[in-house]
Amino acid sequence: KAGVTQTPRYLIKTRGQQVTLSCSPISGHRSVSWYQQTPGQGLQFLFEYFSETQRNKGNFPGRFSGRQFSNSRSEMNVSTLELGDSALYLCASSYGTTNTGELFFGEGSRLTVL
Amino acid sequence: GQQVMQIPQYQHVQEGEDFTTYCNSSTTLSNIQWYKQRPGGHPVFLIQLVKSGEVKKQKRLTFQFGEAKKNSSLHITATQTTDVGTYFCAGVDSSYKLIFGSGTRLLVRP
Repeated sequence: KAGVTQTPRYLIKTRGQQVTLSCSPISGHRSVSWYQQTPGQGLQFLFEYFSETQRNKGNFPGRFSGRQFSNSRSEMNVSTLELGDSALYLCASSYGTTNTGELFFGEGSRLTVL
Repeated sequence: GQQVMQIPQYQHVQEGEDFTTYCNSSTTLSNIQWYKQRPGGHPVFLIQLVKSGEVKKQKRLTFQFGEAKKNSSLHITATQTTDVGTYFCAGVDSSYKLIFGSGTRLLVRP
């Protein structure tokens, strides 16, 4: 079966712009979680959605937001981009919630902010 | 807030040597997961440990969960070049968040 699909894979933005990233989970998976990966900070949890509800949120400013649709696809949005937002954004899906078992990660969306 | 510390940050070994990475939490974890990320790739699930003192093996990999459920380790026996990558632990805290450790990058000299 198809894996987790993230789009776009690469994008370049300038400071002050906003960006929307998309994640299509594995069919049947109801949980989608988002992580920011940078060389110095590892994998930082952004948020988790389960059946269209935000279940948990990490310690990121309000510029970072997300949502999940009825088909379990998820989007995350970053407004007023800053240079420090440059990172690999990874989406992961799981059948149950993230604390219960295996996460399946997508290839990521690499964001560069100039 | 909840932190999961992982050491060492890097380890460079000769092929055939053993390797161990350690994961420590400031609070009790309900379970812990381990992932491997190859260079340029995405994290791939290895295993989940749930019980206090649990030990699980996958071929040359041995995973342990501490008795107090605050620490965990991954040991690789006789490393191979295919073991190269970054190993992450991820612990579930009291609010059911999955918190990733900072990762240990393993380099293997052939």
